[in-house]
Amino acid sequence: QSVLTQPPSVSGAPGQRVTISCTGSSSNIGAGYDVHWYQQLPGTAPKLLIYGNSNRPSGVPDRFSGSKSGTSASLAITGLQAEDEADYYCQSYDSSLSGLYVFGTGTKVTVL
Amino acid sequence: EVQLVQSGAEVKKPGESLKISCKGSGYSFTSYWIGWVRQMPGKGLEWMGIIYPGDSDTRYSPSFQGQVTISADKSISTAYLQWSSLKASDTAMYYCVRRFRDLKGSGLWFDPWGQGTLVTVSS
Repeated sequence: QSVLTQPPSVSGAPGQRVTISCTGSSSNIGAGYDVHWYQQLPGTAPKLLIYGNSNRPSGVPDRFSGSKSGTSASLAITGLQAEDEADYYCQSYDSSLSGLYVFGTGTKVTVL
Repeated sequence: EVQLVQSGAEVKKPGESLKISCKGSGYSFTSYWIGWVRQMPGKGLEWMGIIYPGDSDTRYSPSFQGQVTISADKSISTAYLQWSSLKASDTAMYYCVRRFRDLKGSGLWFDPWGQGTLVTVSS
């Protein structure tokens, strides 16, 4: 059902920078709808990490940043820390018949 | 503090019915859409549907249309997700979420999330 594609996994050593891509289409990201990101720590509910492509809710460290261009978006984590090991999902809105709210396939971030 | 508190874990048999709940607090319950998201074991997030408690306007993902029913009781600030006949494939964690919309209308995101309700369907 996912119409937003993410890499299954990314990894990095502590302190490194990792990026996660989120690729959509002309009916969602390319249509001008914003991209949002969620972090799901093991055994917990997802939590909003980035909204409106690049905005951080209060309490989210500034080592997390987001961007959007064309039909894709990216989440970057700089200064990777052990507590960042989690699953990350992008989300947008889709104007086609496939559904209204769409999530990415999810990316597992592993801290080496 | 804005919170969504969900009902507890359920263990059901195939063919049984079920209704799980999500109670909102700390905000005007009738002013925000409430959605439901499924996460099957070891899998990703899937949007199921959404309801506006103010007037009970409801939208479903095509994948879940006809499979579940979403409702809300604004008098007690609670949204519901129900099944009339459960299948083993309904085994999953279910999250309720509050939808935010920005002034432009192009930003639609979910915050906060409920803690999740684990539904296990097994004979």
